[in-house]
Amino acid sequence: QVQLVQSGAEVRRPGSSMKVSCKASGGTLSNYAVNWIRQAPGQGLEWMGVIIPISGSTNYAQQFQGRATFTADESTDTAYVELRSLRSEDTGIYYCARSGYSYGYGFPTWFDPWGQGTLVTVSS
Amino acid sequence: DIQLTQSPSFLSASVGDRVTISCRASQAIDTYLAWYQQKPGKAPKLLIYTASTLQSGVPSRFSGSGFGTDFTLTISSLQPEDFATYYCQQLTNYPITFGQGTRLEIK
Repeated sequence: QVQLVQSGAEVRRPGSSMKVSCKASGGTLSNYAVNWIRQAPGQGLEWMGVIIPISGSTNYAQQFQGRATFTADESTDTAYVELRSLRSEDTGIYYCARSGYSYGYGFPTWFDPWGQGTLVTVSS
Repeated sequence: DIQLTQSPSFLSASVGDRVTISCRASQAIDTYLAWYQQKPGKAPKLLIYTASTLQSGVPSRFSGSGFGTDFTLTISSLQPEDFATYYCQQLTNYPITFGQGTRLEIK
């Protein structure tokens, strides 16, 4: 049963960057997509975007375009999200989630499993 | 962007009750809809995909239905472990979007 294990909590200053990792354990990220989702404190789920590790192709939600970068290392079955120019509104829990990917119609399928989440706090 | 509107946003119910949560899409999404359950301090868990397919290991008291713009999640007989927040999600257009959530609490 594959599990996604994320890196630990981070505290960052406004204007700095964060980088969160997501490693597949007991399975692989190859032939899947990795989605990143953010949840602000007490709020709902916000999809940040997706990477397909085998090709490196990505799709970013507009609000993260230019500020976020998704990467993946197939050799270690690990995906990463980097977010730059952090502001207080970026405080929240960042989740990775594996999904299938329908090449026929070009979108991810349902998200399962999810990582345990990484709390990122942006504060001066 | 496709907006997903869940109703109600908050629901108070008792163990054994039958509850239904609605999810309405701002445009037709065929059956490209999933439902997730999230408990406090935990990651979301997939319950249902393609609108009505029960994920392996999810109890059969959960069911989903719908097509196009209107979808429902039904819990046939609430159990104590079902009190959580539920989200719908569409997977037919970028950006992938979620409903705002329905918080299910014990009456």
